[in-house]
Amino acid sequence: DAKTTQPPSMDCAEGRAANLPCNHSTISGNEYVYWYRQIHSQGPQYIIHGLKNNETNEMASLIITEDRKSSTLILPHATLRDTAVYYCIAARAGNMLTFGGGTRLMVKP
Amino acid sequence: GAVVSQHPSWVICKSGTSVKIECRSLDFQATTMFWYRQFPKQSLMLMATSNEGSKATYEQGVEKDKFLINHASLTLSTLTVTSAHPEDSSFYICSASPWGEGSYNEQFFGPGTRLTVL
Repeated sequence: DAKTTQPPSMDCAEGRAANLPCNHSTISGNEYVYWYRQIHSQGPQYIIHGLKNNETNEMASLIITEDRKSSTLILPHATLRDTAVYYCIAARAGNMLTFGGGTRLMVKP
Repeated sequence: GAVVSQHPSWVICKSGTSVKIECRSLDFQATTMFWYRQFPKQSLMLMATSNEGSKATYEQGVEKDKFLINHASLTLSTLTVTSAHPEDSSFYICSASPWGEGSYNEQFFGPGTRLTVL
């Protein structure tokens, strides 16, 4: 599965949109992009995943570039409870998820 | 739906003792369960994959005789840390998949168990 690169940390003001980037320049055509987050001392929580098209659910939006080499997770109105480590994972359908370093998002009042 | 629980949520034990951690899928049958370990400020590292009724598959570097995994039913897997030492202190997380090989990306994670070995 393709390696992903994320900034180690980001800050966001409460109520503003949090845009978390992920680079996956070596992603292959059949690899999905998954996003999970882990709030301190809890298990990971699934957020969203996509292949080519942009995706939206009640938690977030996922924007994947046309060349699929990068993506952005958007939390439209970040709250303090969104403070967590966000993991971007590229994996073929059915394959194991390999967690990298993630981005530590700090939402500030 | 798709809730996974772990018990205990935290445990403190003396060096040399064994500790058992349970992972249960509450509202679905888990063909496959996974065990991860996470040290402070680090990412999750997969320890082993287990399918109901068969032996677990351990990742390279994980001692199978030290970390005993039993997946006796479709809703329960246990991880036993035998002869625990302080370096085994970590956050242990399980996840469960309703499907077997070929759908490993569909995982639901438990809340984790924090083990502290004195």
